[in-house]
Amino acid sequence: EADIYQTPRYLVIGTGKKITLECSQTMGHDKMYWYQQDPGMELHLIHYSYGVNSTEKGDLSSESTVSRIRTEHFPLTLESARPSHTSQYLCASSESGRTNEKLFFGSGTQLSVL
Amino acid sequence: GDSVTQMEGPVTLSEEAFLTINCTYTATGYPSLFWYVQYPGEGLQLLLKATKADDKGSNKGFEATYRKETTSFHLEKGSVQVSDSAVYFCALSYSGGYQKVTFGTGTKLQVIP
Repeated sequence: EADIYQTPRYLVIGTGKKITLECSQTMGHDKMYWYQQDPGMELHLIHYSYGVNSTEKGDLSSESTVSRIRTEHFPLTLESARPSHTSQYLCASSESGRTNEKLFFGSGTQLSVL
Repeated sequence: GDSVTQMEGPVTLSEEAFLTINCTYTATGYPSLFWYVQYPGEGLQLLLKATKADDKGSNKGFEATYRKETTSFHLEKGSVQVSDSAVYFCALSYSGGYQKVTFGTGTKLQVIP
């Protein structure tokens, strides 16, 4: 059912490298989100977007940045990766409108920074 | 602020056992309540939801009832299968606007044959 895609699924990279995690959805959803999931499974919202050219910081402070130039695309960038950035990153989207509150999640990117 | 509290895991059950995963919430308004499931190596997917008090959400044999008087939304299944092994997240959110979703910390379920 889910039409939201994240690439890569796994990324192992050295400290100091710039990385971009890709997230795309084909459902025309206005709202998109990035969550960071720690090893204890807890989810932390780090970024969200209401639509094109809209981006906001989430509940958990993050050194990453996001952009929303197209409705379907919501990439996350780390300018200089560090071991503390090692985590699972989950992208999600949802429709606008008052009655449909379901979140659609991608399969996630497992990032390991050495 | 809003919060969701789930029972800690992991929960280990034998196949065909009865499952209950407790979830309680604190909310400033009248949210919708959700259970999401995360299978190994995947993202979360919606399992069921309830939008108002006394509503019962159900899917794939799982059920949960929105209890306003006890601020609870416990997940139940009468007979679990090995394929139900996953992490289960209770969550709440409000309609419209930013639609912030507040998640619980997740409960890992392992079902053994």
